[in-house]
Amino acid sequence: KQEVTQIPAALSVPEGENLVLNCSFTDSAIYNLQWFRQDPGKGLTSLLLIQSSQREQTSGRLNASLDKSSGRSTLYIAASQPGDSATYLCAVQQETSGSRLTFGEGTQLTVNP
Amino acid sequence: EPEVTQTPSHQVTQMGQEVILRCVPISNHLYFYWYRQILGQKVEFLVSFYNNEISEKSEIFDDQFSVERPDGSNFTLKIRSTKLEDSAMYFCASGGAPGHRLSYEQYFGPGTRLTVT
Repeated sequence: KQEVTQIPAALSVPEGENLVLNCSFTDSAIYNLQWFRQDPGKGLTSLLLIQSSQREQTSGRLNASLDKSSGRSTLYIAASQPGDSATYLCAVQQETSGSRLTFGEGTQLTVNP
Repeated sequence: EPEVTQTPSHQVTQMGQEVILRCVPISNHLYFYWYRQILGQKVEFLVSFYNNEISEKSEIFDDQFSVERPDGSNFTLKIRSTKLEDSAMYFCASGGAPGHRLSYEQYFGPGTRLTVT
């Protein structure tokens, strides 16, 4: 059974700092990995999708990497801003008939002005 | 930009009552999903739906749950007899356009908060 773990559970940084969020998964039979942002009481906003054949994907100040064989992904946020404060979730799309997503618990990020 | 929509945003119901949560997926998507998130816990997969039938379901998705695509646009989740532990945020998602590969991005709706009293 796939298990997805995110470290740290919470992170507080001053504005402008670069930071790294970590995600690990136990079963490498995945199609892709997605990073999401969730604001309190809100839905999930997709940030980046990395295909299983890719190593890296970039969008603006965000850069996500994937090492499928070791079951790890990182989300790098450059020059953090208070508006980046949210919970960041990683999820892997399983190689199953229904292509379910399996989620981690999330990292709650606070960027202080 | 196309988006997944869900109604209602918040539903309060009494234990034992039936509820129907509604979703309008992105129009050219082929795969539809329901997930739920109990307060303070992980987002959990419930069911996936493709070509007018369930393609996968989790152990959570027991006989009290059902899904339907009654027309070309709506996708519904019915809970037949709600329990206190069904209180959660329910998310609809869609993905996979015609000509897609097996791997695709899933787009989530804003969620329906279900409160069972």
